[in-house]
Amino acid sequence: QVTLKESGPVLVKPTETLTLTCTVSGFSLSNARMGVSWIRQPPGKALEWLAHSFSNDEKSYSTSLKSRLTISKDTSKSQVVLTMTNMDPVDTATYYCARRGYSAYDEVHYGMDVWGQGTTVTVSS
Amino acid sequence: EFVLSQSPGTLSLSPGERATLSCRASQSVSSNYLAWYQQKPGQAPRLLIYGASSRATGIPERFSGSGSGTDFTLTISRLEPEDIAVYYCQQYGNSPYTFGQGTKLEIK
Repeated sequence: QVTLKESGPVLVKPTETLTLTCTVSGFSLSNARMGVSWIRQPPGKALEWLAHSFSNDEKSYSTSLKSRLTISKDTSKSQVVLTMTNMDPVDTATYYCARRGYSAYDEVHYGMDVWGQGTTVTVSS
Repeated sequence: EFVLSQSPGTLSLSPGERATLSCRASQSVSSNYLAWYQQKPGQAPRLLIYGASSRATGIPERFSGSGSGTDFTLTISRLEPEDIAVYYCQQYGNSPYTFGQGTKLEIK
């Protein structure tokens, strides 16, 4: 069974750096053509894609947030880590990690086929 | 950068009716890598449709996707009360993997 689970602080202060960890099970972060994205959702608002870690170690970032984001992975620990610097109250949101699925058998890319439950982060002094 | 525009913003229909949700991209979606997700209150999104028209595992047949290039549609053939949710489209062919702003589906 494939699962993803987010962990990190519930509360951060303005200007601090947020570090979130996504721990995966049931698949390897080195599986070809798979990857893990971070997505966030402010209260009552839409989903916002943040960053993606590819199986070949490439990385991709939201254009608007690129200067504040860093995504990394530790394949041996099955973890993908997102850091976001200079946090602001507008960054208050539920943060999700999700797998971009792929089937090597039929060469199908699935989109974000498995999601974590999300972790809520509040930015406040 | 991709922009995905969903319409309508809110859709209010009765059980048994047909729902048609639209997603329009600012440029052609690579390989039709367009997905639809359902998000119920307090839950994480769930993948419904991938590759514009393929149902994900366990998704009822009343959900179907169509379209190509820049225009895509999610159709729910006969609404059930449990279909109350916000529906998002996303392109995952070229990063950044943009989401649409969502369509809220209400049941009368």
